[in-house]
Amino acid sequence: KNEVEQSPQNLTAQEGEFITINCSYSVGISALHWLQQHPGGGIVSLFMLSSGKKKHGRLIATINIQEKHSSLHITASHPRDSAVYICAVNRPLNYGGSQGNLIFGKGTKLSVKP
Amino acid sequence: ETGVTQTPRHLVMGMTNKKSLKCEQHLGHNAMYWYKQSAKKPLELMFVYNFKEQTENNSVPSRFSPECPNSSHLFLHLHTLQPEDSALYLCASSQRGYTFGSGTRLTVV
Repeated sequence: KNEVEQSPQNLTAQEGEFITINCSYSVGISALHWLQQHPGGGIVSLFMLSSGKKKHGRLIATINIQEKHSSLHITASHPRDSAVYICAVNRPLNYGGSQGNLIFGKGTKLSVKP
Repeated sequence: ETGVTQTPRHLVMGMTNKKSLKCEQHLGHNAMYWYKQSAKKPLELMFVYNFKEQTENNSVPSRFSPECPNSSHLFLHLHTLQPEDSALYLCASSQRGYTFGSGTRLTVV
């Protein structure tokens, strides 16, 4: 079982719909990241969270540290939001692994139809 | 452009070839990473460099050889690769958050 699990794996929505992508993790973390990957392959960092909620335009990310769960919401979805959304977590700095080592989920492929 | 530039964007190489991937950032980040993304699998960390020093080699076969001559440049030297090494290779840098490059799509024939 992957340490970072995302659901759903695939999501198809109609333009304008409200979208939620979920991420659950099973390890202690210092931060959680939401990333966006377009078909060309490049990855853009959307959010880095350690608590609470962040908003950027139509995107909202929340995290519940006690429940080890995060959600990414897209309001008023648009075809240009079609991409793979990846959740990743940083282990705490006192963890024996490398500083800055990210553990990635498998991603959620979102397709928004006009 | 994210601030992390990878070249080439696409590469096809034979199993006996030697090639290099290049990554460059001028964001002032101290850490640089190579990741491999294969189909249907999460991104896998390959190498980490902090202040030009390699701090992690994630059990990567020796046919992949990283080089970090300075804090702004990172290379991945490739030789005698296998078809299963075909993947998207992503470079990233970090200071607090992460910045990723666009990746090199590698096909080994």
